[in-house]
Amino acid sequence: KAGVTQTPRYLIKTRGQQVTLSCSPISGHRSVSWYQQTPGQGLQFLFEYFSETQRNKGNFPGRFSGRQFSNSRSEMNVSTLELGDSALYLCASRQGAEAFFGQGTRLTVV
Amino acid sequence: AQSVTQLDSQVPVFEEAPVELRCNYSSSVSVYLFWYVQYPNQGLQLLLKYLSGSTLVKGINGFEAEFNKSQTSFHLRKPSVHISDTAEYFCAVSDINDYKLSFGAGTTVTVRA
Repeated sequence: KAGVTQTPRYLIKTRGQQVTLSCSPISGHRSVSWYQQTPGQGLQFLFEYFSETQRNKGNFPGRFSGRQFSNSRSEMNVSTLELGDSALYLCASRQGAEAFFGQGTRLTVV
Repeated sequence: AQSVTQLDSQVPVFEEAPVELRCNYSSSVSVYLFWYVQYPNQGLQLLLKYLSGSTLVKGINGFEAEFNKSQTSFHLRKPSVHISDTAEYFCAVSDINDYKLSFGAGTTVTVRA
């Protein structure tokens, strides 16, 4: 069974631009969550989608948004990028209580 | 809301020696507990989980952890480490009803020959 796939692996964007990250969950998993990992703040929960509905949301500004498609693939969008948005963005798909993480997308904002 | 405290930010250890990584949590509701490992430039890999039942949980790569409800702890142990265990380790907790993971700050384990 294929694992969680995140694309792209690396991104460099300029401040003020927007970016879209993609996540394909493990086949059959309907829940997808997103986390931000930075050296200063550690791992922080962004949001969770289940069957195309946002079910849970972390404490991030409205510039961070997401969606989930009918095939459970999810995208995360960050608008008006700031230098502080540079981070590793991790996606996880869930089966029951167990979350399986992808390799992450490393976003660098310059 | 839950919170997790990993008591050691860095743990140096010699190869074939035992290691213990300490994790305490706080929560007003029942929780699930997890340990994840992260290698450089990689995602998180689940080492083990406590959902219910036996408080001693065995995971992959020879790791085990013990859930202590009275002390709200979930310490991770390995009796004999290898160079390949060099990585960052994260303790995480989730509410049994919403599954959102709250992570500790991480413990960097460096195994030396």
